[in-house]
Formats: sequence, structure tokens, C-alpha cells
Amino acid sequence: GDSVTQMEGPVTLSEEAFLTINCTYTATGYPSLFWYVQYPGEGLQLLLKATKADDKGSNKGFEATYRKETTSFHLEKGSVQVSDSAVYFCALSRNSGNTPLVFGKGTRLSVIA
Amino acid sequence: GAVVSQHPSWVICKSGTSVKIECRSLDFQATTMFWYRQFPKQSLMLMATSNEGSKATYEQGVEKDKFLINHASLTLSTLTVTSAHPEDSSFYICSALAGGVETQYFGPGTRLLVL
Repeated sequence: GDSVTQMEGPVTLSEEAFLTINCTYTATGYPSLFWYVQYPGEGLQLLLKATKADDKGSNKGFEATYRKETTSFHLEKGSVQVSDSAVYFCALSRNSGNTPLVFGKGTRLSVIA
Repeated sequence: GAVVSQHPSWVICKSGTSVKIECRSLDFQATTMFWYRQFPKQSLMLMATSNEGSKATYEQGVEKDKFLINHASLTLSTLTVTSAHPEDSSFYICSALAGGVETQYFGPGTRLLVL
């Protein structure tokens, strides 16, 4: 079945450091790919998404590119801030988001000043 | 906009009792809601899909008689854990899908501890 594997955390970075959180997936066909973020005490929020190969999703300085050849959707940000501290989930969906999501385990990011 | 709430945010109960968790879409109508479960250091796993006015669709391995889902209105779905046992202790998260919109909006989750 479909699955998502993302790097285990926690990840601790200093402010303004470069962030990469790796995510790879296994799925048949062409799933849509997502990154969700969960801030402390809040629900998951959609951070960005890509629905086809080579698409790049971006939001709030975060980027991820849908790489079908490597079945990857790595999350990157050039300069993290303390306010980026949260848990990040990589996920896939058979459609564009109106079907159940398959999630990775989540990666906790802590950014220190 | 697009806020989903869950109540309670955490609950502790005795083994054998039943616990009801509510999921509400506060500012939109949700034709479909999903219930997920997350164990520590594990992924969110889909438990069931809840459609307003019809029976929920459960994932393989999820006992429908143990996890009762009722989606009685376009803004409310409830998950009742019946005869709870310690192994049911987990983090339960719902998401709501607005009609015609391809984005799921998630609630903040409910942490259940069964003693």
C-alpha cells in the first residue's frame, strides 16, 4: 500500500540556519504530495502541496519539489526562525486533497535563538 | 476561516467506560470528515471516513462496534470509544472537508488516556 517515510527528529537548528527535512513516498500512480505543520496546541495546517511531477510548492519561505524519479518531496527553508518550531508532516493523497491522507511520522523541529 | 474544533482536548477515563469526542467545523459545512489516530512516534493513521447522513466507512482493522461514528449534521461528527481499554489510549484527530474544496482542515486533536 501507499506509504510515506520522513526523517526522524527531533531536529534542532540555530536561527537563520538552512533546513532540510527529507520525505520519500511509495505509491502507485501519481499521488498529490503535501507538507502539513502542527504548532504547539494547534491542529495540522497545510503548509504547501504539489499535485504533479516537477511541481514546486512554496509558502512562508518553505519549498518542496515533487520528484517522481526519486519519489521524494523534501522540505527546505533557507533561513529558519524561532517561530518555525513545530512538527512537520509529509503526506500523500490519491487525489488533490479530498481523499484520506497517508502521513509520515512527523519531524519535530526546534529552532533556538 | 476554516476552523475545526475538537472537544474535549484531553480526557482520562477508567477502563470499561465510553468516551465521546466531538469534531465541529465552526465556519463552514463539512460534507465529509475523517478520523485519524496517532500513537506516540507513529504516523497519523486513518480510522474512518464520515459522510453526513450516511454510515461511516471504516478502515481495515478498525472495529466499527468499538469506535462509533455519527455525522448527524454538516458541522458535527462524533467518535465514541465504547468500553475503552488502556490500548485505546491515543491521540485522536479529525479533519473536515468542505464541499467543492480540496483541502482538509484539521482539529487540534484529543488525547485519550484509559486507566
